[in-house]
Amino acid sequence: AQSVSQHNHHVILSEAASLELGCNYSYGGTVNLFWYVQYPGQHLQLLLKYFSGDPLVKGIKGFEAEFIKSKFSFNLRKPSVQWSDTAEYFCAVNARSGGYQKVTFGTGTKLQVIP
Amino acid sequence: GAVVSQHPSRVICKSGTSVKIECRSLDFQATTMFWYRQFPKQSLMLMATSNEGSKATYEQGVEKDKFLINHASLTLSTLTVTSAHPEDSSFYICSAPGRTSGAIEQFFGPGTRLTVL
Repeated sequence: AQSVSQHNHHVILSEAASLELGCNYSYGGTVNLFWYVQYPGQHLQLLLKYFSGDPLVKGIKGFEAEFIKSKFSFNLRKPSVQWSDTAEYFCAVNARSGGYQKVTFGTGTKLQVIP
Repeated sequence: GAVVSQHPSRVICKSGTSVKIECRSLDFQATTMFWYRQFPKQSLMLMATSNEGSKATYEQGVEKDKFLINHASLTLSTLTVTSAHPEDSSFYICSAPGRTSGAIEQFFGPGTRLTVL
């Protein structure tokens, strides 16, 4: 069965600091990888996704993520965070399981950016 | 892009009653849809996979008799929480897979906040 782990549960940064959130998954086959953001009181929004090709993917709002197949990782990065980036971030894996496409989410990382 | 809607967005009910939540894919068809539950300050947990024309597939630990799923058409799946109790209060989210850029991506509904009194 596929699983996703996010090691950082709560991250506090000052504005302009750089961000890297870890995500590791376990699955032996082909996966599609995603990062979602959930702002307080709002529903999930897609930040970026990896399907194939260039392992460095760029998403909205200056976020990027790098897929490292050998490490089963898909870490999220942003060079300079803003207060408006305060939110919860979820890594997710979409893979085939039992004949069906199935999405598994990590436990989430709460990011707090201090002005 | 593909849009998934949910209705209602918020529901409050008394303990012991049943609540139906609808998930619709508005501009595409989905033979499968997924139902998740998100407790406060926690991640999304997959509850079940809804399959058009056949029985839903439930994740381990999810009571199929309590959470009834019906995939009535290629654009509609419903989740009925039967005999709801306060511990069923949660945020329920559905998703439907659609193709973008040649690969499959999940499109999420906005969620339904269920409060059981």
